[in-house]
Amino acid sequence: GIQVEQSPPDLILQEGANSTLRCNFSDSVNNLQWFHQNPWGQLINLFYIPSGTKQNGRLSATTVATERYSLLYISSSQTTDSGVYFCAVEDMEYGNKLVFGAGTILRVKS
Amino acid sequence: EPEVTQTPSHQVTQMGQEVILRCVPISNHLYFYWYRQILGQKVEFLVSFYNNEISEKSEIFDDQFSVERPDGSNFTLKIRSTKLEDSAMYFCASSVPGTAYGYTFGSGTRLTVV
Repeated sequence: GIQVEQSPPDLILQEGANSTLRCNFSDSVNNLQWFHQNPWGQLINLFYIPSGTKQNGRLSATTVATERYSLLYISSSQTTDSGVYFCAVEDMEYGNKLVFGAGTILRVKS
Repeated sequence: EPEVTQTPSHQVTQMGQEVILRCVPISNHLYFYWYRQILGQKVEFLVSFYNNEISEKSEIFDDQFSVERPDGSNFTLKIRSTKLEDSAMYFCASSVPGTAYGYTFGSGTRLTVV
């Protein structure tokens, strides 16, 4: 099946810093989503982005489908950005399920 | 914004007991899913459900697990005889293929087997 790798596994930032999280995937995808898992365990959908670039406030994401990677940018980080960021993809061939990466644990210090 | 609703948010059960986790997917969605996340690990696919039947299941989804859509709105996951290793966060999700919204996840049920 499709493989999803996220980097870095852990990231510690000072409040106000910027960061880039990366997601590599091994095959063509129908769907790619970025999620933020908050301290209560909830999965918050950040972006649906199988290709192209989207922005939402301090967050933006870019997926280059032909090169099989996606980037999540966090600018001017805040302590509330802390948590785990997951990339998840839907395989174009064996679709109709999302396959998650292992996540990036982000800690923003004040 | 439409939501996927899961109940209960927390459940503690004795080993060997049956549990039923409940979900109300978004009303116009066609595919329904259950995922599991053991503490500190990645989110894992369990099962997908379409047109009133299982469309795909993972190797985790063995005979102890079953899913049902008993009426037009609810979608349930039953674990027949819980084991300690079933302790996890269980997420329900729903989707409409081909739309620009992707999968919508519920807030999860944290199951603790003691």
